[in-house]
Amino acid sequence: DTAVSQTPKYLVTQMGNDKSIKCEQNLGHDTMYWYKQDSKKFLKIMFSYNNKELIINETVPNRFSPKSPDKAHLNLHINSLELGDSAVYFCASSPETQTQYGYTFGSGTRLTVV
Amino acid sequence: TQLLEQSPQFLSIQEGENLTVYCNSSSVFSSLQWYRQEPGEGPVLLVTVVTGGEVKKLKRLTFQFGDARKDSSLHITAAQPGDTGLYLCAGGGLGNAGNMLTFGGGTRLMVKP
Repeated sequence: DTAVSQTPKYLVTQMGNDKSIKCEQNLGHDTMYWYKQDSKKFLKIMFSYNNKELIINETVPNRFSPKSPDKAHLNLHINSLELGDSAVYFCASSPETQTQYGYTFGSGTRLTVV
Repeated sequence: TQLLEQSPQFLSIQEGENLTVYCNSSSVFSSLQWYRQEPGEGPVLLVTVVTGGEVKKLKRLTFQFGDARKDSSLHITAAQPGDTGLYLCAGGGLGNAGNMLTFGGGTRLMVKP
């Protein structure tokens, strides 16, 4: 059984388009995250949700809008895509907000903007 | 902003050799985690250390949290090709940053048979 699943795995799109990435976890975790991994493999947090409520919103362009319909789902919508948005986006979850329990990551969505 | 620096960035060794990867910061962390990431996959949690000076062993892997909770090391004994991957350390913040995990830049390990 997949614990944290993201769709799609690969996404190639043109500049200016709007796209969404979906994430679902079946672990019963309360907290979910979106991370961006650049070409140098550096992972940077974008958003964190706890029980459907936004708790972390790092310096991310407002073209990125997360939505959590329930605590098992955290989707990421991106408007007016730019070349610099190309990266691998990871969804993750944890039992609660405290970090010592560790995160379970999805397998990532590789976004390529052309 | 709490920053974590990992060294070395790249490491290529022969099967059977030992190695140590370091994770350093000027900030104190509430916890320190190590993850391993393979190509096309997300990071997978290996261990969490929370107490200064704590040492944890996972088969051939030994993890240590510094006494001041600012640094950590990962030692692999008798490395095997299956250990190849990207190793990431991540620190849990203190206080208001307690619910945020900050990742280091990673150490890319290649173990040649």
